[in-house]
Amino acid sequence: GAVVSQHPSRVICKSGTSVKIECRSLDFQATTMFWYRQFPKQSLMLMATSNEGSKATYEQGVEKDKFLINHASLTLSTLTVTSAHPEDSSFYICSAAGGGYTEAFFGQGTRLTVV
Amino acid sequence: AQSVTQLDSQVPVFEEAPVELRCNYSSSVSVYLFWYVQYPNQGLQLLLKYLSGSTLVKGINGFEAEFNKSQTSFHLRKPSVHISDTAEYFCAVTSPVTSGSRLTFGEGTQLTVNP
Repeated sequence: GAVVSQHPSRVICKSGTSVKIECRSLDFQATTMFWYRQFPKQSLMLMATSNEGSKATYEQGVEKDKFLINHASLTLSTLTVTSAHPEDSSFYICSAAGGGYTEAFFGQGTRLTVV
Repeated sequence: AQSVTQLDSQVPVFEEAPVELRCNYSSSVSVYLFWYVQYPNQGLQLLLKYLSGSTLVKGINGFEAEFNKSQTSFHLRKPSVHISDTAEYFCAVTSPVTSGSRLTFGEGTQLTVNP
């Protein structure tokens, strides 16, 4: 299968600062990327869907001004958590689809801790 | 819209015993079905997928699943588990007709293999 790389794997930031998470498809062109949030012992919650060159589509209840998503190229999407607060602490996972594949491929996830 | 129900939140088994993780789905259109495994603090790894054709699907690590359209089920099985199979397992569905690669996940099943 294809490879999706997510960086960083762990990040600790101070309350009020912003954090950027990168999601790269290494060996295929990802026309669509998805961003998920996962709370402990829970399933993945879709936050937003982004298509290359277009604005992201956010799920109901997700603040688009807090979670900025950019999908400027076919191999890179970024999620920026702006003015982070402790309640934003979570595990964030991206996935990428396209390149003729029928399934999406997942990154390794990013553990965000806001202190 | 699709939905997925994983019938067991936790499944404890002994090493070398067989295991079945149950998944039921709901959809008004045709579906693609997936099973993913997640180890602690990691992303999701695809175990197997059903797109069409044979209803018995074989995946990695000795797992297999059977698509049953009349029962709307896609149960995951392994004849003999190892300690290393301890992980969280997610069943997911998407529709090639309406949802593209956007996945709807079940709540997950924690498989714990005891010595």
